[in-house]
Amino acid sequence: NAGVTQTPKFQVLKTGQSMTLQCAQDMNHEYMSWYRQDPGMGLRLIHYSVGAGITDQGEVPNGYNVSRSTTEDFPLRLLSAAPSQTSVYFCASSYGDNQPQHFGDGTRLSIL
Amino acid sequence: GESVGLHLPTLSVQEGDNSIINCAYSNSASDYFIWYKQESGKGPQFIIDIRSNMDKRQGQRVTVLLNKTVKHLSLQIAATQPGDSAVYFCAEREVNTGNQFYFGTGTSLTVIP
Repeated sequence: NAGVTQTPKFQVLKTGQSMTLQCAQDMNHEYMSWYRQDPGMGLRLIHYSVGAGITDQGEVPNGYNVSRSTTEDFPLRLLSAAPSQTSVYFCASSYGDNQPQHFGDGTRLSIL
Repeated sequence: GESVGLHLPTLSVQEGDNSIINCAYSNSASDYFIWYKQESGKGPQFIIDIRSNMDKRQGQRVTVLLNKTVKHLSLQIAATQPGDSAVYFCAEREVNTGNQFYFGTGTSLTVIP
């Protein structure tokens, strides 16, 4: 099993550009989530999904959209990139919200 | 939301010694706690978890202790090895905020050979 796969690993954007961060898991997990990790702060939840077709907002959802059309994939879209969105983004999956999460290796995103 | 804090941002230990990493939490409604290890350039990796109906749980070389009275969580690593050098952080699941996990900022553990 590949686990949780995130692409790209690195990305540089200009302010105002849009892009999609990809996340795929092959463990048949129902629960998937997106976090951002900033220096001096713990991981913060952006959006999450408890199953295909269902998404919900986390702690810091503004400026991001998600969709969950399949169990395997959970892409994160930046609508109009801002410097404040410079961060490392992690996707995670688990069997449920009361189970340990498996994380991908992150996407390092810089917004100029 | 509630914050999860760590007492020490850095910890250095001699190879072979035991390590103790602490975590304080403030939400008495939290019912599930997880310790993660994060190596440079990698995603967090699950180490061990504990639910609120337990005080102690042991894994291979690791032990997690939960003190609900003072809202304190600790991770003990026995016979610390150079490969244990990483950032460790705890996460708590808060049942009154949609079962979301809140993460601490982490403690950087350095093992001195």
